[in-house]
Amino acid sequence: DAGVIQSPRHEVTEMGQEVTLRCKPISGHNSLFWYRQTMMRGLELLIYFNNNVPIDDSGMPEDRFSAKMPNASFSTLKIQPSEPRDSAVYFCASSFRGVAETHNTDTQYFGPGTRLTVL
Amino acid sequence: KNEVEQSPQNLTAQEGEFITINCSYSVGISALHWLQQHPGGGIVSLFMLSSGKKKHGRLIATINIQEKHSSLHITASHPRDSAVYICAVGQGAQKLVFGQGTRLTINP
Repeated sequence: DAGVIQSPRHEVTEMGQEVTLRCKPISGHNSLFWYRQTMMRGLELLIYFNNNVPIDDSGMPEDRFSAKMPNASFSTLKIQPSEPRDSAVYFCASSFRGVAETHNTDTQYFGPGTRLTVL
Repeated sequence: KNEVEQSPQNLTAQEGEFITINCSYSVGISALHWLQQHPGGGIVSLFMLSSGKKKHGRLIATINIQEKHSSLHITASHPRDSAVYICAVGQGAQKLVFGQGTRLTINP
């Protein structure tokens, strides 16, 4: 299994630009999570989806952030317009929620992260 | 006060020592997770537990629901165990709240 795939791995952009981060969850997983990690605040949940439906977006900082999951194998996190304080590492994780012999229910598998720098 | 507190924040030990990292939480939880973040940044889930104890190799995780406390132990520590260990509590179905992490350094 390829694991959770994120792209790009690194992104450097200028303030005011639109940034799109991409995530491909593990095949068969039905939950997807977007996290942000900074030195000051550590890891924070931004939003998570179950079966492609957003369940809790209370961690999304403000309207500049949006996330979509058009199908079970793809999600995006968009920041528009970006600001220097958005600089962080953004992680995507996926898990399986339910009953199955082939999955550890609710264990989250993390992608490698996208390091975003907004100048 | 943070909902999830870890101690110590930093820990340096010699190879072979027994390591204990503590996690206390102040909210009701559905499960507690221990994660390992490697120096390169990758995050791996080590344990998810809601009661008792779990063991995987040299790692042992325990939880006391009444005291709202969990510990992660490493026996016979090795330099490759050097990483940041993060405690996270699950609230409701799947929402995780994270501690600030414990940076562990094992010297040869």
